[in-house]
Amino acid sequence: AQRVTQPEKLLSVFKGAPVELKCNYSYSGSPELFWYVQYSRQRLQLLLRHISRESIKGFTADLNKGETSFHLKKPFAQEEDSAMYYCALSGRGSTLGRLYFGRGTQLTVWP
Amino acid sequence: NAGVTQTPKFQVLKTGQSMTLQCAQDMNHEYMSWYRQDPGMGLRLIHYSVGAGITDQGEVPNGYNVSRSTTEDFPLRLLSAAPSQTSVYFCASSRQGVESGANVLTFGAGSRLTVL
Repeated sequence: AQRVTQPEKLLSVFKGAPVELKCNYSYSGSPELFWYVQYSRQRLQLLLRHISRESIKGFTADLNKGETSFHLKKPFAQEEDSAMYYCALSGRGSTLGRLYFGRGTQLTVWP
Repeated sequence: NAGVTQTPKFQVLKTGQSMTLQCAQDMNHEYMSWYRQDPGMGLRLIHYSVGAGITDQGEVPNGYNVSRSTTEDFPLRLLSAAPSQTSVYFCASSRQGVESGANVLTFGAGSRLTVL
């Protein structure tokens, strides 16, 4: 069965500090991994996906199949990064388009 | 384009009452889905559709019905509301195909439901 684990419910850092939001997954097939973000009073939206291998708003995430992890990192956090972050997983074939989300990590960046 | 539109934004029900959460998208997306968001539980998939006339269950389908008579609309029905269904409900849509982003969801603004 598929599972996404985000071990930290809350994470606080100061502005300018590095930040890492952890995500581990279990999936029997070939997964596609995502980070979705929900800023205050905004809609849930895609932040990045592992197959794109791009940096969005300074965030990067590398898929580590050996450790089954997809941690989200940013070297210098900004106050506007404060939000709820969800790691999500999907497969291919019949499960295409269905996402399984972790419980989320609320990130607070203090000035 | 309005994207994904959900109505109502807020609703209070009494136990046993029925209601329908509406979801419409104007992006001609083939895939649509309903999630519920609960504190400490993240988002959980309720029901899912890959096209008009085709629906499937997600992780937590009990107590909910769906239908997909058109590409644009995907209503979620609560036949007999229970306090355990108090939650924020999100509708999402995406385009068919791996490369075009079937897994890249566009979300609605959410519907906050309270069942007393």
